[in-house]
Amino acid sequence: DAGVIQSPRHEVTEMGQEVTLRCKPISGHDYLFWYRQTMMRGLELLIYFNNNVPIDDSGMPEDRFSAKMPNASFSTLKIQPSEPRDSAVYFCASSLAYPKGRLAANTGELFFGEGSRLTVL
Amino acid sequence: GENVEQHPSTLSVQEGDSAVIKCTYSDSASNYFPWYKQELGKRPQLIIDIRSNVGEKKDQRIAVTLNKTAKHFSLHITETQPEDSAVYFCAANTGTASKLTFGTGTRLQVTL
Repeated sequence: DAGVIQSPRHEVTEMGQEVTLRCKPISGHDYLFWYRQTMMRGLELLIYFNNNVPIDDSGMPEDRFSAKMPNASFSTLKIQPSEPRDSAVYFCASSLAYPKGRLAANTGELFFGEGSRLTVL
Repeated sequence: GENVEQHPSTLSVQEGDSAVIKCTYSDSASNYFPWYKQELGKRPQLIIDIRSNVGEKKDQRIAVTLNKTAKHFSLHITETQPEDSAVYFCAANTGTASKLTFGTGTRLQVTL
């Protein structure tokens, strides 16, 4: 497997523009996470999905942020309108519930994508 | 929600020495504690993890210890090498959920 694939790797945009970040999780993984990393705030969980359903979006900073997972192999994180303070590296990660098949889902290893570095001018 | 504190924020050791990074967590229901290593400009990658049913786990030069009563866990790296230089993050899950909260990171510098 190629691992978690994110695009674009780098994005430079002007304030007010819409930004869409994309993620393809590892095939067969049932959890998908969006994290944001900055020097000041470290790694923050924005939202996560289980079997394509959003479970917890309490980390989404504002209504300007939205995320979707229309199918098991694709997710997007959208920022509209973007602001300079949104500049960060956005990581997508996927995982498999541990142990696989158990009814009581538990945390498995997170596999991160290479990240999308966003700069909003 | 879960709060994870990590210390120190920076750590410099000489090659061959040991390094210890400590984390505390707040949610007594947390049961999964991974450690991730992030090299400059790269993605975080899991190096070792521990579940609450054990107190210690080792993998070659790396070990993690867990004290559930005190709600803290530590990463131990022995015989450090220059390639160990990176930022290390601890994390804890929220209860039995798959949501991970990360510590603020420790920048480890191994000097020759």
